[in-house]
Amino acid sequence: GDSVTQMEGPVTLSEEAFLTINCTYTATGYPSLFWYVQYPGEGLQLLLKATKADDKGSNKGFEATYRKETTSFHLEKGSVQVSDSAVYFCALSDRAGNQFYFGTGTSLTVIP
Amino acid sequence: GAVVSQHPSRVICKSGTSVKIECRSLDFQATTMFWYRQFPKKSLMLMATSNEGSKATYEQGVEKDKFLINHASLTLSTLTVTSAHPEDSSFYICSARALLALEKLFFGSGTQLSVL
Repeated sequence: GDSVTQMEGPVTLSEEAFLTINCTYTATGYPSLFWYVQYPGEGLQLLLKATKADDKGSNKGFEATYRKETTSFHLEKGSVQVSDSAVYFCALSDRAGNQFYFGTGTSLTVIP
Repeated sequence: GAVVSQHPSRVICKSGTSVKIECRSLDFQATTMFWYRQFPKKSLMLMATSNEGSKATYEQGVEKDKFLINHASLTLSTLTVTSAHPEDSSFYICSARALLALEKLFFGSGTQLSVL
């Protein structure tokens, strides 16, 4: 079945460091890919998404490119801030949005 | 953006009692709502999918008689944990899917359930 594999954390970075959180997926068909973020004490929020191969999703300085050849959707940010400290979830859905599969989440802590 | 309100945010109950969690879509109609359970440092585990006006579809291994889900309107779904036990203690999150944005999920802020 469909699944998402996400790099395990926790990840601790200094402010302004470069961030990469790896995500690979297994899916039949042509899924849509997402990154969700969960700030402390809050629910999940959509960070960015890509719906087809080679699409790049971007938001708040974060980017991820849908790579069909490597079945990956790695999250990157060039310069992290303390306010980026959160748990990040990679996810995929089928085209109709009937099923969503989440990775295990990666906790990011950014220190000043 | 679309808002999903989930209540309560935190509940402590005694073993054997029942707890109801509400999930409301405040500014859109949610034809489908999902209920997840999140264990510490683990991913979201989909428990069930509920469509307005019909019975919920439960994932394998989820007891439907224990986790009662009702989706009586396009803006409200409830999860009732019946006869709660300490092992039911967890973080429960609902999400709603808008009719006009099928691939986008809007999440509630979650409910931390602690069963003593």
